[in-house]
Amino acid sequence: AQSVTQLDSQVPVFEEAPVELRCNYSSSVSVYLFWYVQYPNQGLQLLLKYLSGSTLVKGINGFEAEFNKSQTSFHLRKPSVHISDTAEYFCAVSEMDSNYQLIWGAGTKLIIKP
Amino acid sequence: DAGVTQSPTHLIKTRGQQVTLRCSPISGHKSVSWYQQVLGQGPQFIFQYYEKEERGRGNFPDRFSARQFPNYSSELNVNALLLGDSALYLCASSSDRGLMNSPLHFGNGTRLTVT
Repeated sequence: AQSVTQLDSQVPVFEEAPVELRCNYSSSVSVYLFWYVQYPNQGLQLLLKYLSGSTLVKGINGFEAEFNKSQTSFHLRKPSVHISDTAEYFCAVSEMDSNYQLIWGAGTKLIIKP
Repeated sequence: DAGVTQSPTHLIKTRGQQVTLRCSPISGHKSVSWYQQVLGQGPQFIFQYYEKEERGRGNFPDRFSARQFPNYSSELNVNALLLGDSALYLCASSSDRGLMNSPLHFGNGTRLTVT
């Protein structure tokens, strides 16, 4: 069955330090991959997506993610975080043959320490 | 342009009652999806409606139902509420049925508490 695992429920990091949020998925078919961000008291906002082509995907706010098919991973990275990046980040996948629904990870809270 | 709007923002109901949640998609979007987000978990897919027809359904009991109106707005109904139905209910709209070319745009959700 399709599933998404976000290995860290919380990631604390100092301001201006780099960060990586991990995401692994399992699926028997090809997938599309997404990262969404949820700021406090706001809805989910798309950060970036991988559909095909280059495995390195760039998104908004300086975030990027790399698709690794052999490791079934789609980790999110940012070279230097800002206090405004404090939010919860969700990884999600959609199977190509039923690409109308998203299967979500449990989320990772990014905590920026001043 | 207005984003996806959901009403009400908060709701408190008693076990056994029924509830109706409402969603207005972004203008021009024909697809509406509903997700349930229990505290501490990621969202779970409930329904997708496209062009007023149900196009997909997640693993939820028949107590959950929805519909889409000619103006593409949507309602989610939950009957015989259980404590476990307490969650944030998210509505998302997109211009097409598939996620490849039309990403989901989410509303801020309706927080349902069942006591």
